[in-house]
Amino acid sequence: DIQMTQSPSSLSASVGDRVTITCRASQGISNYLAWYQQKPGKVPKLLIYAASTLQSGVPSRFSGSGSGTDFTLTISSLQPEDVATYYCQKYNSAPFTFGPGTKVDIK
Amino acid sequence: EVQLLESGGGLVQPGGSLRLSCAASGFTFSSYAMSWVRQAPGKGLEWVSAISGSGGSTYYADSVKGRFTISRDNSKNTLYLQMNSLRAEDTAVYYCAKSPLLGYCSSTSCSIWFDYWGQGTLVTVSS
Repeated sequence: DIQMTQSPSSLSASVGDRVTITCRASQGISNYLAWYQQKPGKVPKLLIYAASTLQSGVPSRFSGSGSGTDFTLTISSLQPEDVATYYCQKYNSAPFTFGPGTKVDIK
Repeated sequence: EVQLLESGGGLVQPGGSLRLSCAASGFTFSSYAMSWVRQAPGKGLEWVSAISGSGGSTYYADSVKGRFTISRDNSKNTLYLQMNSLRAEDTAVYYCAKSPLLGYCSSTSCSIWFDYWGQGTLVTVSS
């Protein structure tokens, strides 16, 4: 099965900073990648699918890129409400594995 | 408005069984693949099982294959997860998740992500 890794596992940044999270697949998955945000104590929320397509209603400061094995989620200007854990998920085929998550907080 | 409401969680002994339900509303239930995703306390997300809109195709994570069965009743707009031979490592919040129309599950392949999630139901396996 394809394994998903994320880096860093956690980060602390200032409000207004540009934040980049990396997700890597152990084999190529084309652009079959989604990103989710899970705020503390809350349900996961879809941010991006097809590696770079923003889900309706998601702020434009979030963006995704990549194809094959390497993907990134970028928050162009970190806001206090972005404190959360972010997960990538591959969906080219079952099993639909999630990455281990990246915890983002405010410095 | 899409709503997914899970029920059926609780405390069960190792080796026991439990059936989870997810009542769906706000969309044409039979048109969408559905899944169960779980999250152990303080841990990350783990996809458990998926089912096609018709119910004719099902997929499982290796960790639950042979023990869990996903099913749906489209006349009742309800998704189920029958969990048998439960283990301590099955302890988690179980989320019901809907896939978008662009996602699909057929008898030969499945490609889905999750655009709506329920609030989750906690399953605790302990003696």
